[in-house]
Amino acid sequence: RKEVEQDPGPFNVPEGATVAFNCTYSNSASQSFFWYRQDCRKEPKLLMSVYSSGNEDGRFTAQLNRASQYISLLIRDSKLSDSATYLCVVNHDYKLSFGAGTTVTVRA
Amino acid sequence: DTGVSQDPRHKITKRGQNVTFRCDPISEHNRLYWYRQTLGQGPEFLTYFQNEAQLEKSRLLSDRFSAERPKGSFSTLEIQRTEQGDSAMYLCASSLTEYTEAFFGQGTRLTVV
Repeated sequence: RKEVEQDPGPFNVPEGATVAFNCTYSNSASQSFFWYRQDCRKEPKLLMSVYSSGNEDGRFTAQLNRASQYISLLIRDSKLSDSATYLCVVNHDYKLSFGAGTTVTVRA
Repeated sequence: DTGVSQDPRHKITKRGQNVTFRCDPISEHNRLYWYRQTLGQGPEFLTYFQNEAQLEKSRLLSDRFSAERPKGSFSTLEIQRTEQGDSAMYLCASSLTEYTEAFFGQGTRLTVV
């Protein structure tokens, strides 16, 4: 079983729509959680950390469910510039493990 | 620019040659990671350092791969006797602690022909 699994998508949504997707992780002892964004042929960039109480950053909301071992990301009012691959990242055993990514395409 | 920097950005090499990549982390970051990424996949962990100590190496890292961080600052990743399967993006990242977010360099894209 992979350490971090994501729905690969792609999610094709119109501008202004809401899109949400999940990620599951296998190690219940994982300590910290992140969402990264990666544009084609570029390096991953931190989108947001994910806290136990859930957190919001503008149009982006992240949730963590430790009991079920999943993390979610919700994007409201999608913009064309949100088109990217979103990587779920879990820290366990003091290193970061990445999912394969969820591709989101926002169309005009 | 105080971010993570990697050099070179691109490297084309013939099969069987040795290559070395360099990573300069954010200056106050003690932890440095190397990852490899191929098309359509997430970054795969290769190895990481806490200061100058290499704490873990992935099973992906064969004997042909070696990494160093001699003074706890910059790091190098060397691949000996390159193979076509080594073609990938090699990403370096650094973080302040083992629990905090990591920041990535722009990567070194290796093509083995």
